[in-house]
Amino acid sequence: DTGVSQDPRHKITKRGQNVTFRCDPISEHNRLYWYRQTLGQGPEFLTYFQNEAQLEKSRLLSDRFSAERPKGSFSTLEIQRTEQGDSAMYLCAGGSKGEQFFGPGTRLTVL
Amino acid sequence: KQEVTQIPAALSVPEGENLVLNCSFTDSAIYNLQWFRQDPGKGLTSLLLIQSSQREQTSGRLNASLDKSSGRSTLYIAASQPGDSATYLCAAHSGGGADGLTFGKGTHLIIQP
Repeated sequence: DTGVSQDPRHKITKRGQNVTFRCDPISEHNRLYWYRQTLGQGPEFLTYFQNEAQLEKSRLLSDRFSAERPKGSFSTLEIQRTEQGDSAMYLCAGGSKGEQFFGPGTRLTVL
Repeated sequence: KQEVTQIPAALSVPEGENLVLNCSFTDSAIYNLQWFRQDPGKGLTSLLLIQSSQREQTSGRLNASLDKSSGRSTLYIAASQPGDSATYLCAAHSGGGADGLTFGKGTHLIIQP
């Protein structure tokens, strides 16, 4: 158990709806990362926070995606106007000294 | 742009064999390299982290090596067991440790009882 939790574990939504995922790292993790993983692929980097500051965003993160980490603790990832191509596993990872520890992921299915 | 390749994509071996999983990366300016295990439908479990200044790391039956000059890492699994069956992912961490990890597609490993 890495201590990183994600909620919900599964989400089914209809195309066009908004969804929000939550990630809770352990308190020692001043860095927090979001990744997306599709079937048969390795995870792809989406965005990264150091404390509450969002320091980097991948080109994969379209305008429909937004992430926050308001108090440098938990983080949320929101997808607006979901599309079928957004169906994937969304993974969160915490870290402090280079090593990253992943949560169980949220599996999103867009119908 | 960093690219990570893992060979083979899939591997099936009898229980008890020693095996080697390969990972190559295109940009040798890495901060560290991390090996993960992923069980079906689950998140990633960190197995070994090798800092850029290190040549290898060991944990139990696992040994990972790093050769930055050739852009290669290997994960050696000794005396394989059915419980080792999983997908093994290699990830390179670039950019002074601040950028996200760049992952390979993984090696799907099956250990036959």
